Amino acid sequence: GQNIDQPTEMTATEGAIVQINCTYQTSGFNGLFWYQQHAGEAPTFLSYNVLDGLEEKGRFSSFLSRSKGYSYLLLKELQMKDSASYLCAVNGGYQKVTFGTGTKLQVIP
Amino acid sequence: DVKVTQSSRYLVKRTGEKVFLECVQDMDHENMFWYRQDPGLGLRLIYFSYDVKMKEKGDIPEGYSVSREKKERFSLILESASTNQTSMYLCASSVLSGANVLTFGAGSRLTVL
Repeated sequence: GQNIDQPTEMTATEGAIVQINCTYQTSGFNGLFWYQQHAGEAPTFLSYNVLDGLEEKGRFSSFLSRSKGYSYLLLKELQMKDSASYLCAVNGGYQKVTFGTGTKLQVIP
Repeated sequence: DVKVTQSSRYLVKRTGEKVFLECVQDMDHENMFWYRQDPGLGLRLIYFSYDVKMKEKGDIPEGYSVSREKKERFSLILESASTNQTSMYLCASSVLSGANVLTFGAGSRLTVL
């Protein structure tokens, strides 16, 4: 089976750094994704990790440890527009992508 | 840019009605997916397809069926809608090779009365 856990909600201050954690237990693993979803909109792709380590893309970074079944998304220099839900998802193989329940991030002034 | 278009943004149906949700993508993607999204439950995979006329069950296929007669079109069918199928339905597509990054449509909000 697939089990993906992430915190339900987080609050952070504009300009700060926030780390959103994700742990997973899946029967197969072919990569981990982070998606951003603003309220009322479709999810959009942020990052993909298939090997251990840190992937950096501008203000966003994503880390993966396959042995620990753990990932995090790091957002730096937070902006108000970063208020959104962040979805952790695992490609378990055979094209099947399973999502966690998402972390709703609120950025406050 | 890849575009995934869902035919209806909002639908209201009655219990027992047959419901069709249509999804079209314009980038020749092999894979297409249907998810539903509910508060506290996140996105749950209903069905997916990796080729024309091929379909695979996701995690919650009960009460749904799908059709993929053409590569660009993937339809979700509720044979007899029930109130517990009130939800946001999201279609997505991806290429068969590579990372399988999903591109989503805008969603269809279905209310079953």
